Amino acid sequence: DVKVTQSSRYLVKRTGEKVFLECVQDMDHENMFWYRQDPGLGLRLIYFSYDVKMKEKGDIPEGYSVSREKKERFSLILESASTNQTSMYLCASSSRDRGRGEKLFFGSGTQLSVL
Amino acid sequence: KQEVTQIPAALSVPEGENLVLNCSFTDSAIYNLQWFRQDPGKGLTSLLLIQSSQREQTSGRLNASLDKSSGRSTLYIAASQPGDSATYLCAVKGKLQFGAGTQVVVTP
Repeated sequence: DVKVTQSSRYLVKRTGEKVFLECVQDMDHENMFWYRQDPGLGLRLIYFSYDVKMKEKGDIPEGYSVSREKKERFSLILESASTNQTSMYLCASSSRDRGRGEKLFFGSGTQLSVL
Repeated sequence: KQEVTQIPAALSVPEGENLVLNCSFTDSAIYNLQWFRQDPGKGLTSLLLIQSSQREQTSGRLNASLDKSSGRSTLYIAASQPGDSATYLCAVKGKLQFGAGTQVVVTP
């Protein structure tokens, strides 16, 4: 089965710190995504990537950047963390192979608290 | 813009009762629809994926139907168990859009 692994389950950082959230998938998926999930706001797409070194802005990219140097790894970077970035961050991946249905697989999430 | 709605937002049923969860979408030009389960503080677990050319998918006690013309999908969970308590989300792919979810509690 597909495994999407997020490096940390819980993370506590201070305002102004640079934060790296790492995501690794083991199924050779082309597509990778970063979402944040907040109560009452649902899932919101931050960035996605369709290939190595490719990135596209989602609905709420402000304050974030991403890096995809290898196909299996997609990193989310908070350049200068702020308290309003306290949230659950979810990574997902899918194949671009329409024969596999482009099924979306999620990691277990990182709960980030910025103090 | 695609809008995805899940009603009700919360549901409580006694153990053994069948669950019926609804997902509505405004644009019928979808590629697929996926149902997920989320436990508190965890990621999303995929339950069923229905391609746009399909009418339904089944896995064990779960059955999901898709009616593109009316913009609706329904997830049926037969003979509910306390372990089915979770939030259930649907996601519609054209541009991927998630519903807000239905929080389900199954009481023993």
